Order: sequence, then structure tokens, then C-alpha cells
Amino acid sequence: DQQVKQNSPSLSVQEGRISILNCDYTNSMFDYFLWYKKYPAEGPTFLISISSIKDKNEDGRFTVFLNKSAKHLSLHIVPSQPGDSAVYFCAASALNTGFQKLVFGTGTRLLVSP
Amino acid sequence: DVKVTQSSRYLVKRTGEKVFLECVQDMDHENMFWYRQDPGLGLRLIYFSYDVKMKEKGDIPEGYSVSREKKERFSLILESASTNQTSMYLCASRRGTEAFFGQGTRLTVV
Repeated sequence: DQQVKQNSPSLSVQEGRISILNCDYTNSMFDYFLWYKKYPAEGPTFLISISSIKDKNEDGRFTVFLNKSAKHLSLHIVPSQPGDSAVYFCAASALNTGFQKLVFGTGTRLLVSP
Repeated sequence: DVKVTQSSRYLVKRTGEKVFLECVQDMDHENMFWYRQDPGLGLRLIYFSYDVKMKEKGDIPEGYSVSREKKERFSLILESASTNQTSMYLCASRRGTEAFFGQGTRLTVV
């Protein structure tokens, strides 16, 4: 049972345009969401997060939007750069229940072409 | 800066061998995790630990065990390695919101 889903395995965008990566979840107990970026042969690195008390969080070129009623979150990268090419994972946890497990999606491979 | 260090970047082991993957973190985090990453399957949780000598099964614990004798160290053990355990193994530690990952161990079982 996949509690966190990333339905697009890959996404290609041109440099300078917007990249939108999507993530859906099924567990209504999830209250904290994170995005990680992963290059080949390296561990994932934290990118940005959002708590369920917010609907938007911004950090430079990266913005995460949360729609709790739809159980959907998205990561926007504007403008996209070739160095953003990587696999992006969304993750969720239920911190208010002490649920420290991070449940990950299957990832979306982003390719930004010059 | 939090540092999570995995003992090996690349390992090649034979079928049936007992394999130890070691992970050390330097930030006194209570929670530590072992994931494996496979194409199209994302990161799947094998085991996690929320304190010394405490462990819980994740989603795919079969064929694995873990050991946490000290807070900073979390070991993943493949009791008898099989070819379907060829994968990228990722260790993480967490206290609070963000989890920090090691660089990963690419294990090949031949």
C-alpha cells in the first residue's frame, strides 16, 4: 500500500522555465512533508519542508504548496537550472503522533536541459 | 553540520555471505533508519531504531536484521546475502523534523 505517491517518474523542462513536481498521499495522519533531492551515487539531501498548518513554504527558487483537502503537495522550482537535474523524492511523517518514520514516494527524475 | 557516515561506498559480496553495513551519526539523534533504494520503487524502509537497543521493522525487513548497541551507531546485517538484495542502501538519522542521510552504500551480491 503506497501511502505516498509520485505518479510522474520523469519530467523534462528547459532551463529558465518552471518545474512542477507533484506528490499525493493517502494517510490523513501525515502532518509534516519534506522534499529531498538525490544525485546518482549520493545520499538524498534535504531541500524544503512544510507543516500541515501551512499551505505554502518558500526558500529561494523552491516553493512547496500543500493542499490538505486534496492530500496533495507540489514542489515548484523557478527558474529551473541544469544543476537541478536529479531525482526528487517527497516524504511524509506524522509528528504529532510521535511517528518518526519518514514514508517516501517513488521519486521523479527531473531533467533540465540548457 | 550533521554528519551521517556509512562505512563503505561500494561493496561486492557473494551469495550466502553475512554482510554488515555500518552507519554512524554525530548529532546525538535518537532515531536512525535503514532504507534501500531501487529503480521505480523509491526509498523503502527496512528497519528503524528510536533508541539504543530498540528497533522496529519497517516495510521490508525480511532477510535483514539490525543492531544498535550505541546511540551513534546503527548496523544493518544481511544474514545470508542473496542477489535480490543487490541495491543502494541508505542510512538516515533524525530528531525532530528533518532527516539526514549518509552517502549510501551500493551493494552488489554475486
